[in-house]
Amino acid sequence: DQQVKQNSPSLSVQEGRISILNCDYTNSMFDYFLWYKKYPAEGPTFLISISSIKDKNEDGRFTVFLNKSAKHLSLHIVPSQPGDSAVYFCAASGEGSARQLTFGSGTQLTVLP
Amino acid sequence: ETGVTQTPRHLVMGMTNKKSLKCEQHLGHNAMYWYKQSAKKPLELMFVYNFKEQTENNSVPSRFSPECPNSSHLFLHLHTLQPEDSALYLCASSRAGSEADTQYFGPGTRLTVL
Repeated sequence: DQQVKQNSPSLSVQEGRISILNCDYTNSMFDYFLWYKKYPAEGPTFLISISSIKDKNEDGRFTVFLNKSAKHLSLHIVPSQPGDSAVYFCAASGEGSARQLTFGSGTQLTVLP
Repeated sequence: ETGVTQTPRHLVMGMTNKKSLKCEQHLGHNAMYWYKQSAKKPLELMFVYNFKEQTENNSVPSRFSPECPNSSHLFLHLHTLQPEDSALYLCASSRAGSEADTQYFGPGTRLTVL
């Protein structure tokens, strides 16, 4: 059973608008969450993370929101740029998983010019 | 210097061949990982090494054999693979023991088994 789920395999957004990527998790022991971005033929690149003691973390155009009660996190990209087109993976870790990362299946974001 | 490097970037091998994948990290980390990424699937953790000691082996078939001679280098030895083993193999590293479990990935080796 997948403990980290990204239910939208793809998302298309117009350049300049906001992109919202969603991720749900089931393991209440997770306490650290990350987003990675992956271009074709490259490895995932770390983007932004959030600890469970926070509900928001911002870095430039990227903001991650964590809703612990709903076991839901989201990544907001604003404004979206064509170079943001990539696959985005969310990941989670916690003591229950020996602090190893558990990944979602990814969401392909396409930013249209 | 790129943080995590992997060689080769592409590999085609027959089912009877023996080959090795190499990973090197220049980040001063002490934990290294092998992942498998198949199409449309989440990344699957295969092996974990902390301070050169293997701490995780997620039910990986014995035709995959990892080796970690030091905290900067990691190998994945391959023999008698099956076509379903064709995938992108990713290496990652992190600073073990820290609260930040952020892993940094290499570019991957695209493996095709004929």
